[in-house]
Amino acid sequence: KNEVEQSPQNLTAQEGEFITINCSYSVGISALHWLQQHPGGGIVSLFMLSSGKKKHGRLIATINIQEKHSSLHITASHPRDSAVYICAVTASGSRLTFGEGTQLTVNP
Amino acid sequence: DTAVSQTPKYLVTQMGNDKSIKCEQNLGHDTMYWYKQDSKKFLKIMFSYNNKELIINETVPNRFSPKSPDKAHLNLHINSLELGDSAVYFCASSQDRQAYGYTFGSGTRLTVV
Repeated sequence: KNEVEQSPQNLTAQEGEFITINCSYSVGISALHWLQQHPGGGIVSLFMLSSGKKKHGRLIATINIQEKHSSLHITASHPRDSAVYICAVTASGSRLTFGEGTQLTVNP
Repeated sequence: DTAVSQTPKYLVTQMGNDKSIKCEQNLGHDTMYWYKQDSKKFLKIMFSYNNKELIINETVPNRFSPKSPDKAHLNLHINSLELGDSAVYFCASSQDRQAYGYTFGSGTRLTVV
């Protein structure tokens, strides 16, 4: 069993819909990261969280340390949001342990 | 200016060859990493250096040897390439060992034929 589990694996939405991607982890962590991998392959760091909630534009990330759970929300989704979203954690040190990713497709 | 740059972007080579992938960061970060993304798109740590010192060395065949001449560069040399080495290799850097400011390179797609 992977230390970081994401759901769903695949998600298809219509433009404008509110989207939620979930991440659960089984180890003690120092931080949780949300990453976005574009169809071209590049990886961008969206958020690094150790508690509470962060917001950037239409993206919101929350974390519940007690429940070992994080969510990434996208409001008013757009086709350009189509990408793979990856949850990753840092437990000891700065190495990232990754979830398997959620493939998001937003249709116009 | 690209923050973390990897070269080459694509690499096609025959089994048994030796190849290198170069990585440079201009962010002033102290820590650099190599990650491997397999055919199922799963990412896994390979190596990490902090100020030229090796701090993470996962269970990777010793055909893979990282080299960090200075804290801005982390190169990956692979000897005797095998078919199973085909993957996308990502270089990354972070401000420090606390993982602030994680920044990834654009990846190197290695295909071994």
